[in-house]
Amino acid sequence: KAGVTQTPRYLIKTRGQQVTLSCSPISGHRSVSWYQQTPGQGLQFLFEYFSETQRNKGNFPGRFSGRQFSNSRSEMNVSTLELGDSALYLCASSSGTALNIQYFGAGTRLSVL
Amino acid sequence: DQQVKQNSPSLSVQEGRISILNCDYTNSMFDYFLWYKKYPAEGPTFLISISSIKDKNEDGRFTVFLNKSAKHLSLHIVPSQPGDSAVYFCAASAGGDSGSARQLTFGSGTQLTVLP
Repeated sequence: KAGVTQTPRYLIKTRGQQVTLSCSPISGHRSVSWYQQTPGQGLQFLFEYFSETQRNKGNFPGRFSGRQFSNSRSEMNVSTLELGDSALYLCASSSGTALNIQYFGAGTRLSVL
Repeated sequence: DQQVKQNSPSLSVQEGRISILNCDYTNSMFDYFLWYKKYPAEGPTFLISISSIKDKNEDGRFTVFLNKSAKHLSLHIVPSQPGDSAVYFCAASAGGDSGSARQLTFGSGTQLTVLP
């Protein structure tokens, strides 16, 4: 069974630009969560999608948005990039049931210059 | 306010000995706890989990202990191997309605180094 696939693995952008990251969950998983990892803040929850609906959202500004498609693939978009958005963005998939284990992709390393 | 805390940023252990990683939490609504390990340039890998109805869960060399009254959990690795060297994160989630159960709150991680 293939794992969680995130593309691209690395990305360099400049301030003010926007970026879209992609995540393909494990086959059969309908829940996709996004996390941001930075040295200062650790792993922080961005949002979770289940069956194309955002079910839960962390404490991030509206510049961070996402969506999920009917095949459960998800995209995350960050608009008007700031230097502080440089981070490792991790996607995790799960079955979406109550006591679910989340399985993570390798992440997308975003550098904002 | 950090709801999940790993107070030891690093731990060094000799190969073959026991590694004990600790985690404290403050939110009494947390009822499911997980441990992940992470190598550089990779995503976190799930290790073991425990529900709040249990106080111990074992899987091979890994055992997680939960002390609800102290809001403390620990991961024991016995025996430790050099390949176990990685950053270990504890994470917690709260039950309740269908929305809140899916957000994991992570600790800051502990770098484990197993010396040969």
